Amino acid sequence: DTAVSQTPKYLVTQMGNDKSIKCEQNLGHDTMYWYKQDSKKFLKIMFSYNNKELIINETVPNRFSPKSPDKAHLNLHINSLELGDSAVYFCASSQFITDTQYFGPGTRLTVL
Amino acid sequence: AQTVTQSQPEMSVQEAETVTLSCTYDTSESDYYLFWYKQPPSRQMILVIRQEAYKQQNATENRFSVNFQKAAKSFSLKISDSQLGDAAMYFCAYRRPYGGATNKLIFGTGTLLAVQP
Repeated sequence: DTAVSQTPKYLVTQMGNDKSIKCEQNLGHDTMYWYKQDSKKFLKIMFSYNNKELIINETVPNRFSPKSPDKAHLNLHINSLELGDSAVYFCASSQFITDTQYFGPGTRLTVL
Repeated sequence: AQTVTQSQPEMSVQEAETVTLSCTYDTSESDYYLFWYKQPPSRQMILVIRQEAYKQQNATENRFSVNFQKAAKSFSLKISDSQLGDAAMYFCAYRRPYGGATNKLIFGTGTLLAVQP
């Protein structure tokens, strides 16, 4: 059974388009995250939700909007895509009190 | 702000040999967590090992062990009996112990490990 899943795994789109990435976890965790890995493999936190409440919002452009319909799901919607948005986006989850974060397989976004 | 430094962009090891990956971090906190994650070519981020700063004993997971030097703010990963499947990018990460807005992993830049047959 997949613990943290993301769809799609690959996403190729044109500049200016709007796209969404979905994440689901079946670990029963109450905290979920989005990380971005750039072309140099550097990983950085973007957002975190705890029990559907936004608790971390790093300096991310307003074009990025996370949504958490329930504790098991965290989606990332990106408006007006730019070339610089090309990256791998990872979803992760953890139990709030514990510290270990488990990652999804990543979504490689390519903006042409 | 906390920072994590991995000074070895690339490392190479012979199969069955031992290799040590370095990680240093900067923090003013006395309590925190440290992690090593592995990212093979499949792109999946896999937890290798974790260490709580309040524990003096070094964490071990089978062939993986750490050398945690709190005073030196050093957290190296030792891989014994290296296997071809160990070839991957390895990331060191730091996390503060509290919840809420501090509940994020701060990553180093990674070390790419090659395993030679």
